[in-house]
Amino acid sequence: AQRVTQPEKLLSVFKGAPVELKCNYSYSGSPELFWYVQYSRQRLQLLLRHISRESIKGFTADLNKGETSFHLKKPFAQEEDSAMYYCALRGSNAGKSTFGDGTTLTVKP
Amino acid sequence: GAGVSQSPSNKVTEKGKDVELRCDPISGHTALYWYRQRLGQGLEFLIYFQGNSAPDKSGLPSDRFSAERTGESVSTLTIQRTQQEDSAVYLCASSLESGRSTGELFFGEGSRLTVL
Repeated sequence: AQRVTQPEKLLSVFKGAPVELKCNYSYSGSPELFWYVQYSRQRLQLLLRHISRESIKGFTADLNKGETSFHLKKPFAQEEDSAMYYCALRGSNAGKSTFGDGTTLTVKP
Repeated sequence: GAGVSQSPSNKVTEKGKDVELRCDPISGHTALYWYRQRLGQGLEFLIYFQGNSAPDKSGLPSDRFSAERTGESVSTLTIQRTQQEDSAVYLCASSLESGRSTGELFFGEGSRLTVL
């Protein structure tokens, strides 16, 4: 079975401060990990995927297989980063994706 | 259109009535998901269709909820005898699930259901 845990339901930081949204997963094989974002009044969309090893809007995420984590980080948060963030896992057999419960990030001015 | 389309965008109904929500996935996408999102809450998985395989219905909260998909096209989510706790945004997502796909899910804008 695959499981994704986002321990923080709410996270609040000040503009310019570093931010880290935590994601832990449980999966017996080699997973594919994703971060999705939902801005206010917009549809849920992909932010980044671990296999691309990319930085999107200043966000990065590193897959740590030892700790089974895929935390999302940004060194200097901006007000426009305020949104709901979901971590998701897809199994290595290209099957169903599983989402965490989400973290609502608020960046205060 | 190029994206996932859902209808209606808003639906207000009376308790006890049946409702039907529709999802048009991206053409060629083999996988389709339905989620429920209550106000201020996270995604709640409902059902997953993948090609011709039997759907994963493990997230349906009660037998009042059912969903169908015709081949790899349109899906409908039906809620019978609606209750006030069914009020939520119902999201549909589709994906090209194959060994060469990126695995990205593409979401619709959702259908907001209000049960009075």
